[in-house]
Amino acid sequence: QVQLQESGPGLVKPSGTLSLTCGVPAGSITSSTWWSWVRQSPGKGLEWIGEISHSGTTNYNPSLMSRVTMSIDNFKNQFSLKISYVTAADTAVYFCTRTAALRFESWGQGTLVTVSS
Amino acid sequence: AIQMTQSPSSLSASVGDRVTITCRTSQAIRYDLGWYQQKPGKAPKLLIYGASTLRSGVPARFSGSGSGTDFTLTISGLQAEDSATYYCLQDYDYPWTFGQGTKVEIK
Repeated sequence: QVQLQESGPGLVKPSGTLSLTCGVPAGSITSSTWWSWVRQSPGKGLEWIGEISHSGTTNYNPSLMSRVTMSIDNFKNQFSLKISYVTAADTAVYFCTRTAALRFESWGQGTLVTVSS
Repeated sequence: AIQMTQSPSSLSASVGDRVTITCRTSQAIRYDLGWYQQKPGKAPKLLIYGASTLRSGVPARFSGSGSGTDFTLTISGLQAEDSATYYCLQDYDYPWTFGQGTKVEIK
């Protein structure tokens, strides 16, 4: 499995912007991969946020589409997530994942982001 | 979005038991369903894809079946290390959606 690592602030103020980055091994961003973000609210289930390809093509969950932006940096071997106008409902553990041959075949360990003033 | 209905939400079984978890989708998704296992504090792990194909390295006591709208994950001969929450995922159509999860506890 490919090792992924999320990073970013663990605390964001309401109405602010949540920003996370996922580091991936050098050479793993290829034309056959899609990179996703999945979140899990405390004690709740899993929600797919969106995905991005190596070329920057994105697909977002309509439930979050108006507030989500994903980007990818092939040179830095990382991809990023931004969610704007956050509320307490955005408090969750955020996972980055890789889809190559199989959907969500590799996952980061997850990072908790709390929205609070 | 395709709605996923997973049942039961939790179950308790003994080591050696056969356990069955079901996932029903709001529309037909062919075989485009996966099963994931998540242990507390950890990321989910893919167990089965294409409704019934076991991922390499996953114990053979796990099996999946179904197509269309009704799917099943079976654990034949439950082991203590199988205590976890299991999720189904459809990747037939955007947005990808997960079931609500089934927590499996060992008696």
